[in-house]
Amino acid sequence: QITLKESGPTLVEPTETLTLTCSFSGFSLTTSGVGVGWIRQPPGKALEWLALIYWDDDRRYSPSLKSRLTVTKDTSKNQVVLTMTNVDPVDTATYYCAHATSVTNWAESSWGQGTLVTVSS
Amino acid sequence: SSELTQDPAVSVALGQTVRITCQGDSLRKFYATWYQQKPGQAPVLILFDKNDRPSGIPDRFSGSSSGDTASLTITGAQAEDEADYYCNSRDNNHNHVLFGGGTRLTVL
Repeated sequence: QITLKESGPTLVEPTETLTLTCSFSGFSLTTSGVGVGWIRQPPGKALEWLALIYWDDDRRYSPSLKSRLTVTKDTSKNQVVLTMTNVDPVDTATYYCAHATSVTNWAESSWGQGTLVTVSS
Repeated sequence: SSELTQDPAVSVALGQTVRITCQGDSLRKFYATWYQQKPGQAPVLILFDKNDRPSGIPDRFSGSSSGDTASLTITGAQAEDEADYYCNSRDNNHNHVLFGGGTRLTVL
C-alpha cells in the first residue's frame, strides 16, 4: 500500500523560505519509472502543479515558479523535500505530494492528505 | 497556449449522463488525466491515458478526446459523484504539467 504524508510549518512569514517534506512508504524512489510530484491548492481555488522529481533525479518545475522552487530526494529516508524561497501571502495553500509512475503515464496516482501552509506576518 | 480550460460548473440529474470537457493545445499531443476531489479531501485519480481507470474506479467514468478537447463522461451519475473534477496534461514541450481550473459537478 502506497502512502504519502506532507509535513512542515503551518505558518510562514513573508519573504521567508518554506521547506516541506513528503514522507512516503510502499514504493522506492530508486525504482525505475517512479516519481514524486508536488501540487498545491489555495483555499477555494484550483490545483496548481509545482514540481516533479524522478527516480533518476531528473526534475521538472512549473515555469512560473521555477526560480523559487527546489525539489530534492533522500532515498535512504524515503523522503522528498520541496523548498520555496521568498514566500508571499499568495503562496498560502494546501500543499500535496503525490506518487507518479510511468505505468500511469506519470499521472499522480496516490496523494498525501495535504498540509495547509499560511503565509502571513 | 499553455492552459487547460474547463467549465466552472456543470449539473446533472441523478442517473443521467454528463460530459465534462477540458480544452487546450497540449491535448492535441498528450492525453488528459482526470481527478475527482470532494470537499476537504485530496484529489483522486479517476482516468489516465486514453481511457484507463485505476482499480476501484467505477466504469461509469470514461474518457475521450478529439482535437484539442478531452472529455470526461459519467454515465448514470450518482449522488456520490458530486465533486470537483480537474484535468491535467503535459505541456507541449513535455517539460511540466498543466492543470485545468476545475469543474464543480452538482448532481440534482
